[in-house]
Amino acid sequence: GQQVMQIPQYQHVQEGEDFTTYCNSSTTLSNIQWYKQRPGGHPVFLIQLVKSGEVKKQKRLTFQFGEAKKNSSLHITATQTTDVGTYFCAENTGTASKLTFGTGTRLQVTL
Amino acid sequence: NAGVMQNPRHLVRRRGQEARLRCSPMKGHSHVYWYRQLPEEGLKFMVYLQKENIIDESGMPKERFSAEFPKEGPSILRIQQVVRGDSAAYFCASSNSAATGELFFGEGSRLTVL
Repeated sequence: GQQVMQIPQYQHVQEGEDFTTYCNSSTTLSNIQWYKQRPGGHPVFLIQLVKSGEVKKQKRLTFQFGEAKKNSSLHITATQTTDVGTYFCAENTGTASKLTFGTGTRLQVTL
Repeated sequence: NAGVMQNPRHLVRRRGQEARLRCSPMKGHSHVYWYRQLPEEGLKFMVYLQKENIIDESGMPKERFSAEFPKEGPSILRIQQVVRGDSAAYFCASSNSAATGELFFGEGSRLTVL
């Protein structure tokens, strides 16, 4: 079946360092979404990417969709402790908003 | 506006008992999705419902699990004869259309089976 792999599984950074998580699919994606889940919390939508090569920015977060629409990345510049959580990419599988979530990258930020 | 409401937030059951988890979607949303998250793992799709209809239940275990979304009232995820392996967080999400787009998640129901 369709698999969405994320790397790394876990990353620990010092506050102020940058962070990147990568999402790779075995098939071409129609679109991709990113969610953040704080420890003990629920997933919260961050962004949706639709177009090949698309780049979107939200303050310190930069999201990119690969040219072949098979991969995506989320980059955080100058991390803060509020960035702690697990970041999931998610792809639509064609049935309305049904999403297949990636394996997630857990980010830990220390002072 | 109230978001997606799930209850109970925490539920403890002994093996063999039944668990019922409820989800009220956001106002105006008629599409409901249930996901399961095992500790330290990602979210696995279980079922997608619209009012009175199950659209996609490809992620539901074949036995003991059922879901409904009646014309009136919340969506219900029912787990019969629970086993320890059912211990997980169950998240409900809703959307306002059949088009691909953002899902709004509830805070989840955390089931512990003793």
